[in-house]
Amino acid sequence: KQEVTQIPAALSVPEGENLVLNCSFTDSAIYNLQWFRQDPGKGLTSLLLIQSSQREQTSGRLNASLDKSSGRSTLYIAASQPGDSATYLCAVGANNDMRFGAGTRLTVKP
Amino acid sequence: DTAVSQTPKYLVTQMGNDKSIKCEQNLGHDTMYWYKQDSKKFLKIMFSYNNKELIINETVPNRFSPKSPDKAHLNLHINSLELGDSAVYFCASSQVGSQYFGPGTRLTVL
Repeated sequence: KQEVTQIPAALSVPEGENLVLNCSFTDSAIYNLQWFRQDPGKGLTSLLLIQSSQREQTSGRLNASLDKSSGRSTLYIAASQPGDSATYLCAVGANNDMRFGAGTRLTVKP
Repeated sequence: DTAVSQTPKYLVTQMGNDKSIKCEQNLGHDTMYWYKQDSKKFLKIMFSYNNKELIINETVPNRFSPKSPDKAHLNLHINSLELGDSAVYFCASSQVGSQYFGPGTRLTVL
């Protein structure tokens, strides 16, 4: 059974700093990996989707990488802003199933 | 237009009651899901339907019964509600790849 782990559980950084969020998974037989953002009391917003055949995806200040063989993905956020404060969830997809990590709670201080 | 909608947004009820949460997607997706997010923000899949057929049924008490009257709807009915059912329930849909989430339904059982 797929297990998804996110490290760290919480992260606090000053505005402007570059940061990396980590996600690891136990079963490399995945279809895709997706990074989400969740704001307090709100739903999930999809940030980036990486198909199993891809190595990375970029959107604005966000860059996500995928290394299937080692069971790892990273989400890189450049020049962080207070508006980036949220919980970031990693989810691993296989067929019609998706397994989520517990998330990393990011706080960007002005 | 809202892609994935859920009703109600908030649901407060007494133990032992029966309640339903409705979900609708207007994206034309074949697959729909129900997730439960517990107090630690951990997201777990409960059910997955593909073209009205049950694909995934995780270890969920049989008090939870999903119903998919058509491809665009996946409703969740919960019988004999218990305190431990208190959580945020998310509906989602997907075709290939990205999942689109509803805003969530916060269920509180008193």
